Order: sequence, then structure tokens, then C-alpha cells
Amino acid sequence: QLVLTQSPSASASLGASVKLTCTLSSGHSSYAIAWHQQQPEKGPRYLMKLNSDGSHSKGDGIPDRFSGSSSGAERYLTISSLQSEDEADYYCQTWGTGIHVFGTGTKVTVL
Amino acid sequence: EVQLVESGGGLVQPGRSLRLSCAASGFTFDDYAMHWVRQAPGKGLEWVSGISWNSGSIGYADSVKGRFTISRDNAKNSLYLQMNSLRAEDTALYYCAKGSHMVQGVIDYWGQGTLVTVSS
Repeated sequence: QLVLTQSPSASASLGASVKLTCTLSSGHSSYAIAWHQQQPEKGPRYLMKLNSDGSHSKGDGIPDRFSGSSSGAERYLTISSLQSEDEADYYCQTWGTGIHVFGTGTKVTVL
Repeated sequence: EVQLVESGGGLVQPGRSLRLSCAASGFTFDDYAMHWVRQAPGKGLEWVSGISWNSGSIGYADSVKGRFTISRDNAKNSLYLQMNSLRAEDTALYYCAKGSHMVQGVIDYWGQGTLVTVSS
């Protein structure tokens, strides 16, 4: 079964970096994923597509502070130079035959 | 600029039906798959349904299979979701979303959502 696992929360200080993890279920470690950001009271925004080899392509207007990397079944989103507007929920998403799956989301708090 | 504008949400009684629409602009609509994603109050994102560029490939979440029907009209640049036999647990903000390819791929643009409330 295709499942994405995310930690419920993460925090870091203003100007620091934070690294979020999305783990693919067993047997799906080659899958690409997408990262989406949802700021409070707003709709989601696509950040990037992240492949199993760590290559990624970002959405329109996404700052260089957002980057992605991969290791095995884990997909990472690193936010550098944290800003107040980065406080949001972050979801990973992937797809299989006929279905799409979202992770449960990670809430990032900027201290 | 890609724009996705949902409409059709509202308050509906359990067991009744509702039809959501999504008007798309700013891209070649019939080149891309489209999706509906929902978010219950205070909860995470849940993929509901997706449809390929030519309606040849359609998928549904188990939670809505047999009750919801997705469709598209490429001539009108529009996406639809027919929701039947609605339940309280279908209460959510429903987002229209654009896929990055004709069939599979990531979601790369989102609408602002339309709220569906199922309550007596």
C-alpha cells in the first residue's frame, strides 16, 4: 500500500534552517514526490517535484531557500534562512496507478 | 497566469447531491490531468479524484468510490465533481487542482476551494 509518512511538527529559529522528511512506504522507494506548502487560512501552493535521485524542479516563484534531496525511501525538504512567512503546513504527495496520496503534513513553527 | 476557480459548494442535507465546478484559465486545459482534493476542517489534504486529459483514465479515493463522479468538458475548460449520497464526513473545503502531465504526475497548481457542508 502506497503511504507517505511525515512527522507532525518541526520548529526552528528565524534565519535558521529546517529539514522536513517524507518517507515512502516499503516497495515504493523509487517514487517521485511533490512538496506543497499551506500557509494559515490559505490554499495549498506547489513547491517542487522531487525525484528519487534528488533532482528537483520548483514551481513558479519558489525562492532558492527551498531545496529538496533524497536518500532511499526518504524525501527531504530543506528551508534555509527561515522567514516568518514560512510558518505553514507542508505536505508531500505522490501517485500510483489510479491513485494519489498525501502525507499527513508537518507543521513548521518559526521561533 | 494559471487560474482555477471553484464553485457550487454550499450546505446540503445528508443523502442529497451537489455538483462542483471548476473554471480553468491561463493554460491549455486539454493538455493536462485534473484533480479534486479536499480538506476537512482542521485536517490534512485528501485526494478525492483525478481525470486524465481525455477522460480516458479516472481514479477515485476509496472513501468516495461509487458516490462521486468526476468529469471534464475540454471545450469549456471546465472540471466537475458530481457528489451523490453525501455524508457528514464529506464536509470539507474542496480544491480543484491541475496535474503536471496528461495522465500522471504531480499537482502543480491549486484553486482557492469551495466549501461543502453536509448537515441536517
